[in-house]
Amino acid sequence: GQQVMQIPQYQHVQEGEDFTTYCNSSTTLSNIQWYKQRPGGHPVFLIQLVKSGEVKKQKRLTFQFGEAKKNSSLHITATQTTDVGTYFCAGFTSGTYKYIFGTGTRLKVLA
Amino acid sequence: EPEVTQTPSHQVTQMGQEVILRCVPISNHLYFYWYRQILGQKVEFLVSFYNNEISEKSEIFDDQFSVERPDGSNFTLKIRSTKLEDSAMYFCASSATRGGAAGELFFGEGSRLTVL
Repeated sequence: GQQVMQIPQYQHVQEGEDFTTYCNSSTTLSNIQWYKQRPGGHPVFLIQLVKSGEVKKQKRLTFQFGEAKKNSSLHITATQTTDVGTYFCAGFTSGTYKYIFGTGTRLKVLA
Repeated sequence: EPEVTQTPSHQVTQMGQEVILRCVPISNHLYFYWYRQILGQKVEFLVSFYNNEISEKSEIFDDQFSVERPDGSNFTLKIRSTKLEDSAMYFCASSATRGGAAGELFFGEGSRLTVL
């Protein structure tokens, strides 16, 4: 079945350093979403990417959708302690009724 | 801001017992989902529901699981005979559309199920 993998699984950074998580799908996606889950919390929607090669920015966060629509990345510039949490990508394929979540990247930011 | 609400927040049950988890999706949303997350692991799709019927289900969603929208506002997940491996956080989610614009999933805070 369809799989969505993320690397790295864990990342510890010093506050102020950059962070990137990569998401790879085994199948071509119609769109991809990104979610953030704080420790003990529920996933919260960040953004949706639809077009091949699309790049979107939200303040210090930059999201990219690959040309082949099988991979995506999330880059955080100058991390802050409030960025702590697990970041999940979630892929949607046309003709289905589900988002498949990636394996997640847990980010810890050391002050 | 509208939100998805789930009850109970935590349920402890004995193996073999039936459990019902309840969710109230956002009122104008049409698509409803159950996901589960075993501690520290990924968010796994269980089932999606649209127009009063199951749209899609995963391999996890076997005959022990069922969903229902009994009264037009609640969306329930029933586990008929719980097993130890059913222990997890169960998240309900809803969306306005399927996959397109406004397809973002709004998650509830989850129901933690512990099977002893």
